[in-house]
Amino acid sequence: GENVEQHPSTLSVQEGDSAVIKCTYSDSASNYFPWYKQELGKGPQLIIDIRSNVGEKKDQRIAVTLNKTAKHFSLHITETQPEDSAVYFCAAIFSGSARQLTFGSGTQLTVLP
Amino acid sequence: GAVVSQHPSWVICKSGTSVKIECRSLDFQATTMFWYRQFPKQSLMLMATSNEGSKATYEQGVEKDKFLINHASLTLSTLTVTSAHPEDSSFYICSASVGREGIHEQYFGPGTRLTVT
Repeated sequence: GENVEQHPSTLSVQEGDSAVIKCTYSDSASNYFPWYKQELGKGPQLIIDIRSNVGEKKDQRIAVTLNKTAKHFSLHITETQPEDSAVYFCAAIFSGSARQLTFGSGTQLTVLP
Repeated sequence: GAVVSQHPSWVICKSGTSVKIECRSLDFQATTMFWYRQFPKQSLMLMATSNEGSKATYEQGVEKDKFLINHASLTLSTLTVTSAHPEDSSFYICSASVGREGIHEQYFGPGTRLTVT
């Protein structure tokens, strides 16, 4: 079946450095790729998303890039802060999936002060 | 905008009893609602997809008679865990989907921690 692979599973960075999380997907017809941030004991929060007709999207310190040919997309966080520490999930909606999201396995980001 | 609430945020119940969890979209009408289960340090596992006024579609391996889903309106869906057992203890999260520019964005509730003793 269709799947989303996410790397790395854990990532530690120093405060102020950048963090990059990468995901690959299997369905070339996918057209929507959201990223969620989940803090401990809370539900996932949509932080940024990108549609297949766009190659890059930025919102302050967060950016997402999409390479449709290679079928991968990445989350970039610049000037990281301790409050960025959380689990980040990438996701995709596959064609014929009834609007269901398929999630990556998650990345535990730790920003060290 | 796009706020989803869940109630209760946590619940402890005795084995054999039933528990109802409510999911509401507060500032939008949701075309579809989803129920997930999440184990510690794992990704979200989709349990079922629910559309207003119709029966929920359950994922393979999810017992529909145990996890009853009711979607009575475009802003409310409920999940009832019937005859709960300790193995049902988990973090349950709902999400609500809204169509924007041809894409169905999904917004999640804060989750409900269920502990069955």
